[in-house]
Amino acid sequence: AQSVTQLGSHVSVSEGALVLLRCNYSSSVPPYLFWYVQYPNQGLQLLLKYTTGATLVKGINGFEAEFKKSETSFHLTKPSAHMSDAAEYFCAVSYSGGYQKVTFGTGTKLQVIP
Amino acid sequence: DAMVIQNPRYQVTQFGKPVTLSCSQTLNHNVMYWYQQKSSQAPKLLFHYYDKDFNNEADTPDNFQSRRPNTSFCFLDIRSPGLGDAAMYLCATSRGRLDTQYFGPGTRLTVL
Repeated sequence: AQSVTQLGSHVSVSEGALVLLRCNYSSSVPPYLFWYVQYPNQGLQLLLKYTTGATLVKGINGFEAEFKKSETSFHLTKPSAHMSDAAEYFCAVSYSGGYQKVTFGTGTKLQVIP
Repeated sequence: DAMVIQNPRYQVTQFGKPVTLSCSQTLNHNVMYWYQQKSSQAPKLLFHYYDKDFNNEADTPDNFQSRRPNTSFCFLDIRSPGLGDAAMYLCATSRGRLDTQYFGPGTRLTVL
């Protein structure tokens, strides 16, 4: 079964500091990987996704993530945190070939300190 | 703008009183999903429709039903809500099963 592990349910960074949210997945086949952001009382918004090709994926709002097969990781980064980045972030995985549902991680709440 | 719309955004119901949540989409996507998200937890897939083909997750309680009368609309029916059903209910759509899912804003259900 596919799974996703997000390290750290809460992460705090200072405004202007690097944001690093960690995600590791389990896989025996090539994965599709996603990062979603959720603001309070709202649905999930897709930040970025990896399917095939370039391993460094750029998304909206200045976020990017790098697929590292050897480490089974897909960490989310942003060079400089902004107050508006405070939200909950979900990593998710599905698989190519046949139908596999998307499995979400348990989420990481990002706090940005002024 | 093409989008996924959920109504109402907030729903209050009484213990045991049936409730229906609504989702509509202007994306003309084939697949529509319903997720349940409890506080501080990941979204949990309840079921999905691929066109008219209904696919229930094995662990979805019988208390939860769904209808998709046409491509644009999908409904979540909770026949006898319990206190444990209080959650955010998220609707999502995708063009195909392997394509990116686009989420609506959610309906927060409170059970009194």
